[in-house]
Amino acid sequence: EPEVTQTPSHQVTQMGQEVILRCVPISNHLYFYWYRQILGQKVEFLVSFYNNEISEKSEIFDDQFSVERPDGSNFTLKIRSTKLEDSAMYFCASSRQGHSGNTIYFGEGSWLTVV
Amino acid sequence: AQRVTQPEKLLSVFKGAPVELKCNYSYSGSPELFWYVQYSRQRLQLLLRHISRESIKGFTADLNKGETSFHLKKPFAQEEDSAMYYCALSWGVQGAQKLVFGQGTRLTINP
Repeated sequence: EPEVTQTPSHQVTQMGQEVILRCVPISNHLYFYWYRQILGQKVEFLVSFYNNEISEKSEIFDDQFSVERPDGSNFTLKIRSTKLEDSAMYFCASSRQGHSGNTIYFGEGSWLTVV
Repeated sequence: AQRVTQPEKLLSVFKGAPVELKCNYSYSGSPELFWYVQYSRQRLQLLLRHISRESIKGFTADLNKGETSFHLKKPFAQEEDSAMYYCALSWGVQGAQKLVFGQGTRLTINP
């Protein structure tokens, strides 16, 4: 069964450094997402992406964050200058369609620790 | 505002006992609700969604619009059901679907 894959599984970075988290969505999916979960808190929506542009973003997704689909398979989340509070598990997800009843499939997550 | 509440952070039951994980939501429109499960060191996986009205691994969930609830139930718990369970509400315009998650309930099935 096809799966969303994410790299790295764990990354430690110094405050102020740039981080790129990578994801390979399921191949026939058209909608891509990033969610995050700070330790002990809820899974939160960050951004959705379709047709090579952001379709929706949350208030968390400020100018420090950006997403890109650099080629036909990868979908990346970049944090330009990391802060301590960016430490979290970041989940990439994808879906075949974009309506609200559609199933979203998640990757295993990338655990980011900012020190 | 859209909100999902799972009142129990931890739930522990014995094998063979019934289990019910509570989920309440707040949403002004017609809700699309899901249960996701996360087994130890694994990804979030869809367990079931209300629109399909199916039973997966013995679990069922009924949408009660009057009580704004979508509780997850299983009549006889098994040890392999131990996991983290998240209730989620999906909303948004076409192409901008978002999931709002509850806090999650950690279910432990004791032998």
